[in-house]
Amino acid sequence: GENVEQHPSTLSVQEGDSAVIKCTYSDSASNYFPWYKQELGKRPQLIIDIRSNVGEKKDQRIAVTLNKTAKHFSLHITETQPEDSAVYFCAANSGAGSYQLTFGKGTKLSVIP
Amino acid sequence: KAGVTQTPRYLIKTRGQQVTLSCSPISGHRSVSWYQQTPGQGLQFLFEYFSETQRNKGNFPGRFSGRQFSNSRSEMNVSTLELGDSALYLCASSLAGPSYNEQFFGPGTRLTVL
Repeated sequence: GENVEQHPSTLSVQEGDSAVIKCTYSDSASNYFPWYKQELGKRPQLIIDIRSNVGEKKDQRIAVTLNKTAKHFSLHITETQPEDSAVYFCAANSGAGSYQLTFGKGTKLSVIP
Repeated sequence: KAGVTQTPRYLIKTRGQQVTLSCSPISGHRSVSWYQQTPGQGLQFLFEYFSETQRNKGNFPGRFSGRQFSNSRSEMNVSTLELGDSALYLCASSLAGPSYNEQFFGPGTRLTVL
């Protein structure tokens, strides 16, 4: 089955700096890669996703890049703000057409004012 | 539209007991997935249902089971509880499946096994 590894497990940045979180996946048939943000005590929420026919996707201060050859994808947050502090999870579906998402173990991002 | 709801929000059980958790998806959503969230392991996939059919099952023992009703509401059951089953159980709904449409999570049920 799919295996998703996420790094780093914790990340501290100064407000205004950029943050990068990286994930690798094992199943070359995976074609959908979402990112979720979970604030303390709240439910995970989708913040951005990318499909395998696209190499990069942006939404304001957030971007995701995908390298299918290397089987890794990354989340980039620019101009970080204190409200970006949360745990971020990457995920991948387990093969094309799969009804299962496999999640990384999460990155706790702290933005220091 | 109302969001995904889960009941109960908190449960305390003892080892050996069984428990049933309920999830009501967003109206119109036919896919419901269940996840176990623990501090060290992140979110682990339990199973996914669509139109009352289980389409995928994660790597959990047979003590974990689920079902989906014709109105898309879903339940999961854990029998013979173990201490290691203590976790936050999250369900998530989407229109057709987590790979096809955005998946919306419920608030979770916090299960504590003593």
